[in-house]
Amino acid sequence: QDLLVESGGGVVQPGGSLRLSCAASGFTFNTYAIHWVRQTPGKGLEWVAVMPYDGSQRYYTDSVKGRFTISRDNSKKTLYLQLNSLRPEDTAVYYCARDQGYCTTTSCHDVGGWFDLWGQGTLVTVSS
Amino acid sequence: EIVMTQSPATLSVSPGERATLSCRASQSVNSKLAWIQQKPGQAPTLLIYGASTRATGIPARFSGSGSGTEFTLTISSLQPEDVAVYYCQQYNNWPPWTFGQGTKVEIK
Repeated sequence: QDLLVESGGGVVQPGGSLRLSCAASGFTFNTYAIHWVRQTPGKGLEWVAVMPYDGSQRYYTDSVKGRFTISRDNSKKTLYLQLNSLRPEDTAVYYCARDQGYCTTTSCHDVGGWFDLWGQGTLVTVSS
Repeated sequence: EIVMTQSPATLSVSPGERATLSCRASQSVNSKLAWIQQKPGQAPTLLIYGASTRATGIPARFSGSGSGTEFTLTISSLQPEDVAVYYCQQYNNWPPWTFGQGTKVEIK
């Protein structure tokens, strides 16, 4: 069974840091791009960042650029999100999600498909 | 950035009745549109991708249609277990990947 399991959430003061982890099992982790998506309390879903399978081109939403860093260790089948300079508005449940990728007539790409597998989420609370 | 707008915000439907949810994109996303279900207290799960293809294990009462900027999710006969918030998401123009604000489906 394909699984993603997040961990590392907690309560942190404004300006603090946390590192989230997303552990994968049941599938070939090093062939998939993985995203971070967050959900603020009582609100909707917001895409945060994506890491291709080979760590090449990473993308971030504007509000976290320069503060958050996405990385992965394929040998450990784990994706990470380093959260620095945290703000109260970063309070959310953070989910990791697998990108199914897509193919054209000439090539296949690991980023740009639908999100077919989601983890259960980890809560980050930024508060003094 | 493509803005996704869903309507209505809340939909109350009697068991066994049809539920119709709408999603509009601010510009064409072709058929690169997914519907995501989030049951109370649970993580999101994929329901439909490519605007109309059901994900593995999704019952046939769920169907998706549309292309370009207008999309519809239909639940043909609402079951109690379908109570959830439903999000549409585009994956045609990125970054960023964008979601609608959600439609909450409840039992009347």
